[in-house]
Amino acid sequence: AQTVTQSQPEMSVQEAETVTLSCTYDTSESDYYLFWYKQPPSRQMILVIRQEAYKQQNATENRFSVNFQKAAKSFSLKISDSQLGDAAMYFCAYRRGGGSNYKLTFGKGTLLTVNP
Amino acid sequence: GAVVSQHPSWVICKSGTSVKIECRSLDFQATTMFWYRQFPKQSLMLMATSNEGSKATYEQGVEKDKFLINHASLTLSTLTVTSAHPEDSSFYICSARIQVLNTEAFFGQGTRLTVV
Repeated sequence: AQTVTQSQPEMSVQEAETVTLSCTYDTSESDYYLFWYKQPPSRQMILVIRQEAYKQQNATENRFSVNFQKAAKSFSLKISDSQLGDAAMYFCAYRRGGGSNYKLTFGKGTLLTVNP
Repeated sequence: GAVVSQHPSWVICKSGTSVKIECRSLDFQATTMFWYRQFPKQSLMLMATSNEGSKATYEQGVEKDKFLINHASLTLSTLTVTSAHPEDSSFYICSARIQVLNTEAFFGQGTRLTVV
């Protein structure tokens, strides 16, 4: 079974600084997707970034980028120039590739605090 | 981005009554929708996978007679909590996957259920 591990229950960062959230996963599949979702206090789940396993290039979305290390099964999220609005719970998630039925497997989350 | 609307956002009901939660994909067709439950400060727990026109697939430990799921169209899935009890109080979230893209899932805003 696939598992997703987020080893940092809480992290904090100063505004405008950079922070990296860790995520490791375990799978025997070769075709899969990895995601980072943000859940602010409103509790609306928001997709931050997506990475396809077959792509060697790390995904980036503005201030958000990932370090995808496929052999090590590591998928960390880097947030640059942190803003107060980045404060939220961040979930790393895995999904097997292929059919639309395949479910997301979530990590336990990392609560990010941004200090002014 | 794709929009998933969940209704109601919050509901309070009396113990023993039933509550229906709707999940609609507003601007895309979703053959597959997912229902999650989230306890405070915890990750999302998948309850069931809902496929249009067929019976839902429930995760182990989820009572299918208590949590009735219906996915009657490509844009609507409903979760009915039957004979609700205080321990059913939780935050329920749905998500839907775009049929054509078949990659990321988009989430509704969630429903906070309180059973008194």
